[in-house]
Parts: sequence; C-alpha cells; structure tokens
Amino acid sequence: GQNIDQPTEMTATEGAIVQINCTYQTSGFNGLFWYQQHAGEAPTFLSYNVLDGLEEKGRFSSFLSRSKGYSYLLLKELQMKDSASYLCAPMDSNYQLIWGAGTKLIIKP
Amino acid sequence: TAGITQAPTSQILAAGRSMTLRCTQDMRHNAMYWYRQDLGLGLRLIHYSNTAGTTGKGEVPDGYSVSRANTDDFPLTLASAVPSQTSVYFCASSEGSGSGDTQYFGPGTRLTVL
Repeated sequence: GQNIDQPTEMTATEGAIVQINCTYQTSGFNGLFWYQQHAGEAPTFLSYNVLDGLEEKGRFSSFLSRSKGYSYLLLKELQMKDSASYLCAPMDSNYQLIWGAGTKLIIKP
Repeated sequence: TAGITQAPTSQILAAGRSMTLRCTQDMRHNAMYWYRQDLGLGLRLIHYSNTAGTTGKGEVPDGYSVSRANTDDFPLTLASAVPSQTSVYFCASSEGSGSGDTQYFGPGTRLTVL
C-alpha cells in the first residue's frame, strides 16, 4: 500500500532552525510536494522536488532521496508566523498526490 | 486574480438532504480536484477531473458525484448526506495533471451533517 510517515507535532524556538522529516512508500513516484497549512486555512504550496538533492527557496529548503523514500523540509530563522502544519505529498504513478496527516509545528518565543 | 473560490464557506445540513458544493477557478487550469480533510488524517481525494468533460474517482468517492461541464466549474454533490460526511472540503486545481503540476487550493467549505 501507499504510506506517508511524518511526526505529528514538533516544537521549536523563534529564530532557530527546524527539520521536518517525511518517509514515504508509493506506487511509482513523480516527485514530492510540501505544503503549508495554517489552522482553518487552505494548504499553500511550498516546494517540489523530483530529483535527489536540496532545493533552496529563501528561508525554506527541501531535500529528497528517492532511493531512501525520504524527504525533509528545513525551515531557518523561524518566525512566529511559521506556526502551521506542514504536509508532505509524494505523487504516485497515476499522478495523484498521496497526503500525509501533516506535522504541526509550534513556534515558541 | 481570484484564483479558486468555493461556496458556501460553511453549512449545517440535515442527514438525508442533498447539497452541492460549488467550486470555480479563473486560472484556466485543466485539472480540478475535490478533497476532504478530517482531523488526524491526510487530505483524501474524492473525485478529480483532468480536463473539461471528464471525471474520475479518487480514494473516497462513495456518496459523492461531480460534473465538469466547462473549464472553470467543478461542483461536488452529496445526494443524501450522512453524518460521516461531516468534514472540511477543499477544491483544488492545477494547470495539468502530470508530474510537477502544482495544485492550488480554494479556501474550503466546512460541512456539518446532523
């Protein structure tokens, strides 16, 4: 079957760095997306990785290892507004996104 | 640009009643999707449409139907609502339905079935 594994909740301090891990098993693979979702709002796109390695976009970076079925999202210089859920979603062989339950990130001052 | 709009924002519905959730996008995207999101679970795909005139079933299609008469609109209908359909419903769209096509989400409809 298809499976996504992310930590349920993480806590970090404002100004620090946090890494949110995601492991996945899918039928085929066509890249992996990360989304941010604030409470009560819609998911918004953060990043997409299809090749192995690190993609950097401002304070956010995303890493992919296809052979290990592993990705992480790295958030630097954390701000209070980064408190949100982060959703890992690989795309399977049918080009459908398989969604994890998300990691709730709590930022403390 | 409005992007994707959904209506209503929220609704309380009696069990057994029917309801249509509306979704409209102005980005001329070919593909559209309906998801439901329940506490503790990932987004689950209900139905999708890769292009106007075609639809497909997702992971949890039972009790729901969709149509795609044109590019912009993708309504979701619950024929006879049941309490287990209480959820937040998100509509999304993407330019295409292939690798790397990013999905953009509407604001959601919060539905309670009593």
